[in-house]
Amino acid sequence: EVQLLESGGGLVQPGGSLRLSCAASGFTFGSYAMHWVRQAPGKGLEWVSSISGSGGRTYYADSVTGRSSISRDNSKKMLYLQMNSLSAGDTAVYYCARAISALDVWGQGTLVTVSS
Amino acid sequence: DIQMTQSPSSLSASVGDRVTITCRASQSVGTYVNWFQQKPGKAPNLLIFAASSLQSGVPSRFSGTGSGTDFTLTISRLQPEDIATYYCQQSYNTPQTFGQGTKVEIK
Repeated sequence: EVQLLESGGGLVQPGGSLRLSCAASGFTFGSYAMHWVRQAPGKGLEWVSSISGSGGRTYYADSVTGRSSISRDNSKKMLYLQMNSLSAGDTAVYYCARAISALDVWGQGTLVTVSS
Repeated sequence: DIQMTQSPSSLSASVGDRVTITCRASQSVGTYVNWFQQKPGKAPNLLIFAASSLQSGVPSRFSGTGSGTDFTLTISRLQPEDIATYYCQQSYNTPQTFGQGTKVEIK
């Protein structure tokens, strides 16, 4: 079964850091670009970052550029998102998603809450 | 960034009704538009990719049309299980952007 499972969310103080992880199973991980999409409570979807299958190309939303880093370990079938200098505006459920022609498989999400 | 504007923001319809949601891009995105369904507390689910291609496993009552800047998602006969929020998304360039969502309710 094709599956994505996020972890690493939780409560973090403003200015803090967090590393989100996404474990993939059931498909050839390295053949797919991977994305992070977030959703603030009661709000819509916001694309955050993406990485090519090889890991050689990365992209970021303006809202996280300069304080976030996406990476992957294809041997472990893992995707990561390192987020620094967190603020209340980063509070959201973070989803990882697989992309071929579109975001066709999503994880269940992990909640990040930034609060003192 | 490309803006995706959906309308309406919410709608109420009866079971069996035809429901249409529109999405307008701020510039041409070809057919690089996808549609997602999201139920409360759940991850989004891909319904339509490349403007009009039905994702595997999605009921045939869902369809998509459009190209350039104007796109439409249609539910031919609304079912109770279709209650959800629907999002369009452009994958033409980065940052990939989503519409603000359309909440569909049963009348």
